[in-house]
Amino acid sequence: AQKVTQAQTEISVVEKEDVTLDCVYETRDTTYYLFWYKQPPSGELVFLIRRNSFDEQNEISGRYSWNFQKSTSSFNFTITASQVVDSAVYFCALSDIGTGANNLFFGTGTRLTVIP
Amino acid sequence: DTGVSQDPRHKITKRGQNVTFRCDPISEHNRLYWYRQTLGQGPEFLTYFQNEAQLEKSRLLSDRFSAERPKGSFSTLEIQRTEQGDSAMYLCASSLGAGSREKLFFGSGTQLSVL
Repeated sequence: AQKVTQAQTEISVVEKEDVTLDCVYETRDTTYYLFWYKQPPSGELVFLIRRNSFDEQNEISGRYSWNFQKSTSSFNFTITASQVVDSAVYFCALSDIGTGANNLFFGTGTRLTVIP
Repeated sequence: DTGVSQDPRHKITKRGQNVTFRCDPISEHNRLYWYRQTLGQGPEFLTYFQNEAQLEKSRLLSDRFSAERPKGSFSTLEIQRTEQGDSAMYLCASSLGAGSREKLFFGSGTQLSVL
């Protein structure tokens, strides 16, 4: 069975601090994709990144970086020099390609508040 | 550039009434998804369409729920005989591609409150 755990329910940081959002996943399959989505107060989820299970290279995009480690089944997300606009709920999600599933399994999300 | 639009944004109804939501995906997207999100939880998959065909339904989708996507364009989600437990945000998403590895573009959702 697929499962995504985001143990941090809420995090508050002061602007310009770095923050890491944790994501641990469970799947029996060897072929899967991991995602991060951002949900700002307006409600629509916005895609941030996708990673397939065969690519463990870390990725950096501006102030955002992602650390994928299959050994610990983790796909953590770091925001460097946080800004107020980063305040949102962030979701980690898993797509289990091998089972033929056609949907995403989301974690419960981490609400990030960046204090000016 | 128009994204995924959902209508209405908010719906308040009394228990036992029927409600219908509409989703207009990005025009060239062949896949359309419905998700439900309750407070403090992540979105949960309900169903998806590839063009006009409904290919998968979650066990969360009881007999009171029905979704359609006529002509492979917009989609409607109807809930009959609403219950208080149906109160949630109903999210629509669309994608271009053939699998769930594709990134989804979400609408802002329809917030349903059942009194």
